[in-house]
Amino acid sequence: GNSVTQMEGPVTLSEEAFLTINCTYTATGYPSLFWYVQYPGEGLQLLLKATKADDKGSNKGFEATYRKETTSFHLEKGSVQVSDSAVYFCALSGTTGFQKLVFGTGTRLLVSP
Amino acid sequence: EAGVVQSPRYKIIEKKQPVAFWCNPISGHNTLYWYLQNLGQGPELLIRYENEEAVDDSQLPKDRFSAERLKGVDSTLKIQPAELGDSAVYLCASSTPIGELFFGEGSRLTVL
Repeated sequence: GNSVTQMEGPVTLSEEAFLTINCTYTATGYPSLFWYVQYPGEGLQLLLKATKADDKGSNKGFEATYRKETTSFHLEKGSVQVSDSAVYFCALSGTTGFQKLVFGTGTRLLVSP
Repeated sequence: EAGVVQSPRYKIIEKKQPVAFWCNPISGHNTLYWYLQNLGQGPELLIRYENEEAVDDSQLPKDRFSAERLKGVDSTLKIQPAELGDSAVYLCASSTPIGELFFGEGSRLTVL
């Protein structure tokens, strides 16, 4: 079945450091890929998405590229801020929409001033 | 615009007691989801509704869990009786039929 593997956290960075959170997936067919973020005390929010190979999703300075050859969707940001501290979830959907989301275990990011 | 509203935010019960969680989706969202999130894990789908019809409940443990979505708006998820292993966060989300999911803040259950 479909599955997502993401790096364990916590990831601890200083402000303005470069961020990479690795995500790889196993899926049949051509899934859509997503990154969700959960800020403390809030619900999950969609951060970005990509629906086909080589697509790049981007939002709020975060980027991720759908790499079919390496089955990866790594999340990157060039300069993190304290306000980026949150838990980040990689997810995939085997359909064109969001109906069959499969999530990774989440990676906690802690950014210090 | 109001988001997905869940209640209660926190619930502590003893094992074998019943518990219910309520979800009010975003207005106009016909699709409603209940997810289970165990500590340190990602959310897992329990059930998905299209209007009042449960179209995917394959992951719902039907011996003790039940859900309903009367009139295709609000939904209730019930556990009876609760077990220690049910301690988790229960997330509700809503969307348009193939659109982005919007999640509530979750209901955190502790079973003692």
